[in-house]
Amino acid sequence: GESVGLHLPTLSVQEGDNSIINCAYSNSASDYFIWYKQESGKGPQFIIDIRSNMDKRQGQRVTVLLNKTVKHLSLQIAATQPGDSAVYFCAEKRVTSYGKLTFGQGTILTVHP
Amino acid sequence: DAGVIQSPRHEVTEMGQEVTLRCKPISGHDYLFWYRQTMMRGLELLIYFNNNVPIDDSGMPEDRFSAKMPNASFSTLKIQPSEPRDSAVYFCASSPGGGRFNYGYTFGSGTRLTVV
Repeated sequence: GESVGLHLPTLSVQEGDNSIINCAYSNSASDYFIWYKQESGKGPQFIIDIRSNMDKRQGQRVTVLLNKTVKHLSLQIAATQPGDSAVYFCAEKRVTSYGKLTFGQGTILTVHP
Repeated sequence: DAGVIQSPRHEVTEMGQEVTLRCKPISGHDYLFWYRQTMMRGLELLIYFNNNVPIDDSGMPEDRFSAKMPNASFSTLKIQPSEPRDSAVYFCASSPGGGRFNYGYTFGSGTRLTVV
C-alpha cells in the first residue's frame, strides 16, 4: 500500500525523569557517532559525540553510551525538562564515507510538565 | 560566528517556476552538505562538497535539481522546473573536516519550500 510517512519511535516522559533514547547502527566500520536534537521549525543541533574507541562520554545532563558488540548507541538525558522535547537523531560516520554522516530516522521525545 | 546562513527562510512558488536556495557555510569549514527533510522520507542527503568540489550527488532526485559551490563561502541549490512533490524543508550544513573525528555538522535554519 501507499506509505503515509515515517513512523518515528516516540518517548513520553514526565518532567524531572531521566530519558533514554536508543539507536541501532548497521555498519561495524563506523568510527564516530553524534547525537543531534531538532526542535520544531529549526535545524538539527549537535548535542554530543563519541569515538568508537570509547564506551561512554558525558556532557551537561547528557550521556552517550556506545556498545560496539551489538552496534547500539544510546543517549541518556538526566532530569528531563520540557525544553528537551524534540526529535533526536543519531548519526554515524563510516570509515569509508569521507566526511559524510549517515543519519537515523529519529525519535520523538515529549516531556510533560 | 553567525553559523550556517540559509536564505530565504520560506519560499512559496508556482509549479514550473525556478527556485534557488542559498547557503553560506561557516568560514573555514571544508565540507558543505544539502539535505531535504519531509514527513514521508525523513532527512535525505542530496549532495555534498569538499573544498568546493562535489563529492557525491547520488541523492539528487533528478535532473531538475542542480547544486553549485562557486567559492568557499557560498552554495546554491536550484530546482528547475519545480513540482509540488519538491515541497520540503531544505537544510544546508557545513563541517570542518581536516581530521578523522572532526566531522560534526552545523546545520542552518533551513528553507521551507512550498510548490503550489
